[in-house]
Amino acid sequence: AQSVAQPEDQVNVAEGNPLTVKCTYSVSGNPYLFWYVQYPNRGLQFLLKYITGDNLVKGSYGFEAEFNKSQTSFHLKKPSALVSDSALYFCAVRDTTNAGKSTFGDGTTLTVKP
Amino acid sequence: DGGITQSPKYLFRKEGQNVTLSCEQNLNHDAMYWYRQDPGQGLRLIYYSQIVNDFQKGDIAEGYSVSREKKESFPLTVTSAQKNPTAFYLCASRMGGGSVTEAFFGQGTRLTVV
Repeated sequence: AQSVAQPEDQVNVAEGNPLTVKCTYSVSGNPYLFWYVQYPNRGLQFLLKYITGDNLVKGSYGFEAEFNKSQTSFHLKKPSALVSDSALYFCAVRDTTNAGKSTFGDGTTLTVKP
Repeated sequence: DGGITQSPKYLFRKEGQNVTLSCEQNLNHDAMYWYRQDPGQGLRLIYYSQIVNDFQKGDIAEGYSVSREKKESFPLTVTSAQKNPTAFYLCASRMGGGSVTEAFFGQGTRLTVV
């Protein structure tokens, strides 16, 4: 079985400050990890993914994420937040043994205040 | 432009009525997915298809049906057996074939029971 936890329903940061959105996972094999962003009444947009290799993954819009195998975490980060980053963020995991099915976290609402 | 299109954007269903949500993609993707999104619950997998003429139940398939007669199309029918169908429905597609690729999402259909 595979699962994802996003421990924070809401994250608030001031514009220009660094942001972190947390994600932990559980899989039986090796994980493939993804971050997506959703704006109101829209579909999800892909931000970045980890497959293998370098633990620090860089993605769209200045976002990056750090894979930590020992802590089973894949936290999303950005050095300097923008008001336009305010949205709902989803972490997803796919087990290498689980053909094509991803499990999504419950989402974290990020609010960046000017 | 390549993409994935869901229609309609808003749909109203009367009690006891079946309705069909459309999902079309021109990305030449093998795999397609239907998710249900409720507030605070993230995305839950309804059905998925990894190849034409084949599909599997997801975690919450009861009260739903699908077909995959063409590679580009994966319609979802919400039947009268689904007791609480009011939700935001998202269709997604992915390259499939064992590749570790991200999913592309449609803009969603908001279904309301009246």
